[in-house]
Amino acid sequence: AQSVTQLDSHVSVSEGTPVLLRCNYSSSYSPSLFWYVQHPNKGLQLLLKYTSAATLVKGINGFEAEFKKSETSFHLTKPSAHMSDAAEYFCVVSDRTGANNLFFGTGTRLTVIP
Amino acid sequence: EAGVAQSPRYKIIEKRQSVAFWCNPISGHATLYWYQQILGQGPKLLIQFQNNGVVDDSQLPKDRFSAERLKGVDSTLKIQPAKLEDSAVYLCASHPDLNTEAFFGQGTRLTVV
Repeated sequence: AQSVTQLDSHVSVSEGTPVLLRCNYSSSYSPSLFWYVQHPNKGLQLLLKYTSAATLVKGINGFEAEFKKSETSFHLTKPSAHMSDAAEYFCVVSDRTGANNLFFGTGTRLTVIP
Repeated sequence: EAGVAQSPRYKIIEKRQSVAFWCNPISGHATLYWYQQILGQGPKLLIQFQNNGVVDDSQLPKDRFSAERLKGVDSTLKIQPAKLEDSAVYLCASHPDLNTEAFFGQGTRLTVV
């Protein structure tokens, strides 16, 4: 069975400071992992994905995430927050050998303070 | 490349009425999902299709929800009769195969009053 735990429901950072959004996963199979962003009244947009290649994954808008199998984590980071980063972020796990369902975390709301 | 199209964008109905949502996935995408996203929560899978066959509908409340994907392309999701707790955004997503990301539509926001 697959599941995702997003450890923080709300993260608040000042503009220009680093962002860390935490995600732990559970998967019976070799997982694919994704981060999606959802701006208010907008659709879900893929930020980045891990599918068993390099463990450090770079995405759009300066975000990156590191897959750590020993810690079952896939934390999302960005060196310097921008006002436009304020949104809801979802960590998603999918098993690549089963039905390929996508399991979403409960989301982390990122607030960026000017 | 056109994205996943959903309609309508918004719908308001009274409880016990019925409603239907439509999704047109990206051309060539074999897998199609319907998700329910209640305000303040992450999307929850309702049903997954592979072409026109159902892969997983274990979370679909089958007493009131139904979905079909005729000819393995477009899909419709129906609720009959609707309850207040069905108020949510209904998201459709598709992807072509394993190891790729899913592409999401804008969603249909349903309000049941």
